[in-house]
Amino acid sequence: DIVMTQSPDSLAVSLGERATINCKSSQSVLYSSNNKNWLAWYQQKSGQPPKLLIYWASTRGSGVPDRFSGSGSGTDFTLTISNLQAEDVAVYYCQQYYSTPITFGQGTRLDIK
Amino acid sequence: QVQLQGSGPGLVKPSETLSLTCSVSAYSISSGYYWGWIRQPPGKGLEWIGSMYYSGTTSYNPSLYNPSLRSRVTISVDTSKNQVSLKLTSVTAADTAVYYCVRSPPEGVGALYMWWFDPWDQGTLVTVSS
Repeated sequence: DIVMTQSPDSLAVSLGERATINCKSSQSVLYSSNNKNWLAWYQQKSGQPPKLLIYWASTRGSGVPDRFSGSGSGTDFTLTISNLQAEDVAVYYCQQYYSTPITFGQGTRLDIK
Repeated sequence: QVQLQGSGPGLVKPSETLSLTCSVSAYSISSGYYWGWIRQPPGKGLEWIGSMYYSGTTSYNPSLYNPSLRSRVTISVDTSKNQVSLKLTSVTAADTAVYYCVRSPPEGVGALYMWWFDPWDQGTLVTVSS
C-alpha cells in the first residue's frame, strides 16, 4: 500500500496570510504514461463530507477558488491556500489514486490564528 | 448536477451485515462513471472501501478481507432504481463510522483509474453495537 503522510498535523494562520500543507507519498505517484501525478486534495469542514479541491496534483476542481493551489511531483506535494479566509477553517486530506488500495493522508487541521 | 443520497440503518449488531443504499439523481448510473464507498470512523481519517463500474468491474480494499482472504464487502448497482449498494458482513465495533457514497471519473490510463472522488453524499453514520 502507498502510505500518505501529511505535515503538519495542525496549523493556525492569520486571516489574509498563506497556509501551506505538505503531503508525502511512500512511493512515486507520477505515472510515466501520461506524465501526471495521481494525487488529489480534499477539504472537510466540520460536520460536512469532504469536498474535492485539487486533482492531478494541481488542477482545481469545479468552482474551487484560485486561492487554492497544488504543486509538487513524484513523492512530495503541497497544498497552498493564499489570502486565508475564515471559511477555510477545515481539515485537509491528500489522496493518491495511483494504485489500489486508494489511500489518504491522516489529515491536517487548519485554524485561524 | 448529480446528487447522491445515502440511506440505511444507523445501528447494526455485531456479527451482522451492514447494508446501505445510495440513490443517485440527475445522472443515470448506466451512463458511466465509477461508484464507490468511503468511510470515516468518528474523529478519524478516511478509508476507501471499494469502487465499481455499472457493468460490474469492482475493486475492494484488502483491509476489509476476512482472515480467509475473502472480502467482507460487496458493492453492487441497481440500474433500474439508479442506486448503488454496500454490504459489509460480520461487522464489529471497528466498523462504526460515517459511510460516504462517492463518484469517480470513468476514464483510465493504461491499467490505472482516475479515482478521485466527487461528489460525496452527506454520509450515513452507522454504529455497531448490541
